[in-house]
Amino acid sequence: AQTVTQSQPEMSVQEAETVTLSCTYDTSESDYYLFWYKQPPSRQMILVIRQEAYKQQNATENRFSVNFQKAAKSFSLKISDSQLGDAAMYFCAYRSGSVFMRFGAGTRLTVKP
Amino acid sequence: DAMVIQNPRYQVTQFGKPVTLSCSQTLNHNVMYWYQQKSSQAPKLLFHYYDKDFNNEADTPDNFQSRRPNTSFCFLDIRSPGLGDAAMYLCATSRDPTELYNEQFFGPGTRLTVL
Repeated sequence: AQTVTQSQPEMSVQEAETVTLSCTYDTSESDYYLFWYKQPPSRQMILVIRQEAYKQQNATENRFSVNFQKAAKSFSLKISDSQLGDAAMYFCAYRSGSVFMRFGAGTRLTVKP
Repeated sequence: DAMVIQNPRYQVTQFGKPVTLSCSQTLNHNVMYWYQQKSSQAPKLLFHYYDKDFNNEADTPDNFQSRRPNTSFCFLDIRSPGLGDAAMYLCATSRDPTELYNEQFFGPGTRLTVL
């Protein structure tokens, strides 16, 4: 079965610094997508970034980038120049033809001013 | 703005008393999902509708049902809530589910308390 593991329940970062959130997954499928979603306190979950398994190039969206290591089944999120508004729960998620969306347990990110 | 709306945001019910949570969307998406999210846990998919086709996850208890009367609305019915059903319930939508890259758009959730 496909599993998603986020081993860091909580992380903190100083404003303007860089932080990396870890995610590993387990699958025997070859065609899948990986996502990072952000869930701010009392607000809806929104997509941060997505990565196709067949693409070797790491996805980037402004201050957010991923380090996708397919062989290691690792998909970490790097947030550069952290801002107070980045404080949220971050969920790593897996999507394939057989799995609509499987989430990790999440990492709570605190940004210190 | 196009969005996913959930009502109510907070719902209190009594043990065993049926409760209905509602979700509506203005995105005109084909697929609507219901997730259960317990404190400090991953959202867990309960079921989804692809147009009018209902798809239940294998481990979703029979106590949970869903209705989708039209494209815009979807309801989650809990027939006999137990204390273990207290959670945040998230509604989400997406376009064609056969396209893996399609993201899901989430509502703000309904927090259910069972007394």
